[in-house]
Amino acid sequence: GQQLNQSPQSMFIQEGEDVSMNCTSSSIFNTWLWYKQDPGEGPVLLIALYKAGELTSNGRLTAQFGITRKDSFLNISASIPSDVGIYFCAGLRTSYDKVIFGPGTSLSVIP
Amino acid sequence: KAGVTQTPRYLIKTRGQQVTLSCSPISGHRSVSWYQQTPGQGLQFLFEYFSETQRNKGNFPGRFSGRQFSNSRSEMNVSTLELGDSALYLCASSLRALNTEAFFGQGTRLTVV
Repeated sequence: GQQLNQSPQSMFIQEGEDVSMNCTSSSIFNTWLWYKQDPGEGPVLLIALYKAGELTSNGRLTAQFGITRKDSFLNISASIPSDVGIYFCAGLRTSYDKVIFGPGTSLSVIP
Repeated sequence: KAGVTQTPRYLIKTRGQQVTLSCSPISGHRSVSWYQQTPGQGLQFLFEYFSETQRNKGNFPGRFSGRQFSNSRSEMNVSTLELGDSALYLCASSLRALNTEAFFGQGTRLTVV
């Protein structure tokens, strides 16, 4: 079964608003990844995090590797309609482990 | 640079049949991973191949198998299809093993009837 939890499960926001979502686990992870999936497409890597406390930005997106190594956060500033999609967190517990995906956060942006 | 190509995009099969899906990774990428995506279980790892060797395997029955060729192209095979195998099958490629920064294809939508 899945070992990553994402919240919220879904979000409906107004265009221009900021968005925050998070990913948690009961286990320690060495790598956190954030992906976005549009309908009918495969997931696209947004941000990769490799060190506890690391804060990385990609345009309007900012992600953080939690200090406890059991969580990660993704923020989107000034949302736009093309931000609509499902955001997945994923993690690796060790360098030799397989990638585990969270269940996703569905984002809807109201123009 | 061409992305990850998966064929076919859509497939309808009958219970009990077998199916083979194909994945061509990004040029130069040697690692290919396969995932099953369903509404109920989300994205679940099937297996990873690197340099023609299976490096990691998820918790799927032996009906699910794969292989990788010398040109890094990969195929996955599902035998004795069950209704529950209906899913989007995604392939991801990366430069090196362990798939930390992987690029996904559009997937193959398999429907088992």
